[in-house]
Amino acid sequence: DVKVTQSSRYLVKRTGEKVFLECVQDMDHENMFWYRQDPGLGLRLIYFSYDVKMKEKGDIPEGYSVSREKKERFSLILESASTNQTSMYLCASSFSSGANVLTFGAGSRLTVL
Amino acid sequence: GQNIDQPTEMTATEGAIVQINCTYQTSGFNGLFWYQQHAGEAPTFLSYNVLDGLEEKGRFSSFLSRSKGYSYLLLKELQMKDSASYLCAVSPYSGYALNFGKGTSLLVTP
Repeated sequence: DVKVTQSSRYLVKRTGEKVFLECVQDMDHENMFWYRQDPGLGLRLIYFSYDVKMKEKGDIPEGYSVSREKKERFSLILESASTNQTSMYLCASSFSSGANVLTFGAGSRLTVL
Repeated sequence: GQNIDQPTEMTATEGAIVQINCTYQTSGFNGLFWYQQHAGEAPTFLSYNVLDGLEEKGRFSSFLSRSKGYSYLLLKELQMKDSASYLCAVSPYSGYALNFGKGTSLLVTP
């Protein structure tokens, strides 16, 4: 069964802390994505990556950075967490060609106090 | 830019049929997707349309009209487990990130 695995299901952090959200996929997908999901706002794209060491800003990259050192792993970094970054973070991956069907991880619910 | 609209909430009765509409405006188009998301879970893929017309998959069907920027998801013989959020998403370019609507929360009542 193909999978996108997010390392933490629930996290609670304090304002100003550095936060790492890890995502691993076992489908040999070229593309990986980070979205955040908030009530009334839907899924919004933070960053995505087409290939190892490649990254592209999405619609709301401010306050975030990403790292993709290996094809299967895509990390989202909050350099200094703020309360407005309290959200559900969803990682997804897809092949670079064809229908581009995204497969999502289970999500990481981050609370910043 | 992208603009994807779908109703916020819908309610339907078990055994009935419900149609969830989605309209979009996009600078490029490489397909329209529907995802289902149960509360507290990840979105799961339901359907993909790239050509005009109806795609049927069991109890679920999805329709696309590219000229009208319009799609709908049709759910037949509703079951309680169909209570979920349904997300409409557009792929502007091949291999690119999907742009999602805000989702339609469907409640199926007995």
